[in-house]
Amino acid sequence: DVKVTQSSRYLVKRTGEKVFLECVQDMDHENMFWYRQDPGLGLRLIYFSYDVKMKEKGDIPEGYSVSREKKERFSLILESASTNQTSMYLCASSSSGGQGEQFFGPGTRLTVL
Amino acid sequence: GENVEQHPSTLSVQEGDSAVIKCTYSDSASNYFPWYKQELGKGPQLIIDIRSNVGEKKDQRIAVTLNKTAKHFSLHITETQPEDSAVYFCAASIESNTGKLIFGQGTTLQVKP
Repeated sequence: DVKVTQSSRYLVKRTGEKVFLECVQDMDHENMFWYRQDPGLGLRLIYFSYDVKMKEKGDIPEGYSVSREKKERFSLILESASTNQTSMYLCASSSSGGQGEQFFGPGTRLTVL
Repeated sequence: GENVEQHPSTLSVQEGDSAVIKCTYSDSASNYFPWYKQELGKGPQLIIDIRSNVGEKKDQRIAVTLNKTAKHFSLHITETQPEDSAVYFCAASIESNTGKLIFGQGTTLQVKP
């Protein structure tokens, strides 16, 4: 059974803290994605990676960075958390070679106080 | 860049009725249009997709239609059942090795028994 796992289902952090969200996939996928999901705004792409150590900005990268040191792991970093980063964060992966199914993790509900 | 608009934001139907969700896209170069279903507490999951060389695709009770001229595509669910209740997302993609998708805002479908 294919799997994308995220390190936490729920996370509460304080304004200004550095936050790490971890995502691991076991499908040997080249592509990995980080989205945030907000009511009425759908899924918005923050960053994606198409290979180890490679990354590209998505539509809303401000305030975030990412790290991909190993193929199976893609980390999202909030350098200094702010209240407007309170959201549901979803990680996904897909194989390379063009358009294909993205497999999503269950999400991390982050609250920044 | 590509923009995807999805309507309606919420949809309530009686069990057994049909449900239709519509999306429009802005970039005529988009050529791949998947639909994802997100059940409560889970990540989105691909349910059906269509490529621009096809006008319609069916899979049991669900179907997707594509009108390239008008740049819109629709999801049709027939004989709805309570387990169809979920949030549905449309997406569009220009072919690339990164598999990047642009998602619509989402539709919350409620099927009343």
